[in-house]
Amino acid sequence: KLVESGGGLAQPGGSLRLSCAASGITLAGYAMSWVRQAPGKGPEWVSAISSDGGGTYYADSVKGRFTISRDNSKNTLYLEMNSLRDEDTAVYYCAKEYAFDIWGQGTMVTVSS
Amino acid sequence: DIQMTQSPSTLSASVGDRVTITCRASQSISAWLAWYQQKPGKAPKLLIYEASRLESGVPSRFSGSGSGTEFTLTISSLQPDDFATYYCQQYNTYWTFGQGTKVEIK
Repeated sequence: KLVESGGGLAQPGGSLRLSCAASGITLAGYAMSWVRQAPGKGPEWVSAISSDGGGTYYADSVKGRFTISRDNSKNTLYLEMNSLRDEDTAVYYCAKEYAFDIWGQGTMVTVSS
Repeated sequence: DIQMTQSPSTLSASVGDRVTITCRASQSISAWLAWYQQKPGKAPKLLIYEASRLESGVPSRFSGSGSGTEFTLTISSLQPDDFATYYCQQYNTYWTFGQGTKVEIK
């Protein structure tokens, strides 16, 4: 099971930090991703991290503003989001592996003044 | 960037119908394609991976085929629980989703 937290309301230009805690599964050994879904839209991949954290990857829409990280000792994935924009408003999910076989329930991020 | 194009965008069908959804990639992705089902307010659920492999616990009425740039998801006999939105996704180079196909009750 994956459980996201940290979403909420942020102002444009603001910051939020999302967490994804795993229970019943060990995240170490798996690549992990963040995927978002804006209201009424399809899913959009945001960022991914390799199993050991040595490789990180970003969609062009968030590159330079978002940072993905993981703490395998805490079995937790993170997404640091800075310089938030209105268009970042979405439900953010964490997902496991390359074909996303396990997803969290999502956390809502709303960017608005 | 690899673009994924699904068709149709909406599909009206009845219980028991055979349903086929098509997904086309802008360049070859070998068999690195997944299909997901999503219901309102829920996370997507993996149905098929590597184009044709059925995820554990998914009913056998779901099947996938294709390779390269052309892929299909088939539901052999539509059940009431299958009315949902379906997305294809490539994971050959990063990850890209199709725009979705909503399966509605006819």
